[in-house]
Order: sequence, then C-alpha cells, then structure tokens
Amino acid sequence: GNSVTQMEGPVTLSEEAFLTINCTYTATGYPSLFWYVQYPGEGLQLLLKATKADDKGSNKGFEATYRKETTSFHLEKGSVQVSDSAVYFCALGGDDKIIFGKGTRLHILP
Amino acid sequence: DAGVIQSPRHEVTEMGQEVTLRCKPISGHNSLFWYRQTMMRGLELLIYFNNNVPIDDSGMPEDRFSAKMPNASFSTLKIQPSEPRDSAVYFCASKTGGSSGANVLTFGAGSRLTVL
Repeated sequence: GNSVTQMEGPVTLSEEAFLTINCTYTATGYPSLFWYVQYPGEGLQLLLKATKADDKGSNKGFEATYRKETTSFHLEKGSVQVSDSAVYFCALGGDDKIIFGKGTRLHILP
Repeated sequence: DAGVIQSPRHEVTEMGQEVTLRCKPISGHNSLFWYRQTMMRGLELLIYFNNNVPIDDSGMPEDRFSAKMPNASFSTLKIQPSEPRDSAVYFCASKTGGSSGANVLTFGAGSRLTVL
C-alpha cells in the first residue's frame, strides 16, 4: 500500500541556517504530494503541494520538488526563522485518502 | 468561510464516561476525516466519509469508538466507555471528494481529550 517515510526529529537549527527535511514515499499510480505544518496548539495546515512529477511546490520560502525517479519530496528552505519552529508532515494523496508521515519537529534557535 | 469547526476544544472526563466530539466541515466539502494525534503514535486516520457514507473505518481502534455523519454539515465521534489511553488530540478534516488526491485537506483546530 501507499506509505510515507520522513526523517525523525527533532531537528534543531540556528536562525538563518539552511533546512532540509527528507521525505520518501511508496505509492501505486500517480499520487499528489504535500507538506503540512502544525504550529503549537493548532491543526495542520497546508504548506505546499505538487501534483505531478518534476513539479515544484513553494510557499513562505519553503520548496519541495516531486522526484519520481527517487520517490522523494524533500522540504527545503534557504534561511530559517524562529517563527518556522513547528512540526512538519509529509503527505501523499491518492484515491480518496491522504496518508501522513510521522512528522518532524523543527526548533529554530535565535 | 469559518473553516472546519470542532467542539469541544478541550474535554476532561473520567474513565468510563461517554465522550462525544463534534465536527462541522467546510460547506461544499463532501469528504470528512477523523484523525487522532498522540506523541507515541503520531497522526492516525480513524475513519473517513464520502458523501456522508463511511468508506474506511479500519483505523478505529476498537468497538468503543463509533462515528456518524447524519448530514453533510455534521459529524460526531463517540467513545463509550472512555479509557485513559484514549487521551489524545482528535482532529476533524474535510476536502472536496472524488478520486483526485490533489484536493487539499483542511483541518479543524482539534479537540484535546484527557481521560482521568
């Protein structure tokens, strides 16, 4: 079945550092891929998405490229801020269901 | 649009009591999902509905859990009797349905349940 694997956290970085959170997937067919973010005390919200191979999703300085050849959708940001501290979830959408990874907690130190 | 609305936001109850969590999806969304989030297990899909019909309830942990969707604008998740291990944050989410996985899931703010 479909599944998503993302790097375990927590990830701790200093402000302005480069961020990569790895995500790989297993799927049949041609799923859509998502990154969701969860700030403390809130529900998950969509950060970015890509619907087909080689698409790049981007939002708020974050980017991720749908790589079919490596079945990956790694999240990157060139310069993180303290306000980016949150839990990040990689997700896969196929048919009706959205399947989430376990989440990666990110701490940004000032 | 008010988004997905969940109630109560916080519930503290004693073991053995019945708990009912409520959700109002976004108008026009015809798929609704219930998730549970804990530190140990992360985010787990409990059940989802398409057009008010339960499609997959394989994530419901046991018979103590039940979910209904009597109409397009309301769903409940009930736990009876509740146990301390049910303590978690329960999220409701909705999206437009159909076979397209590109439709974005919108989450409510969650209901934090503590069972003493």
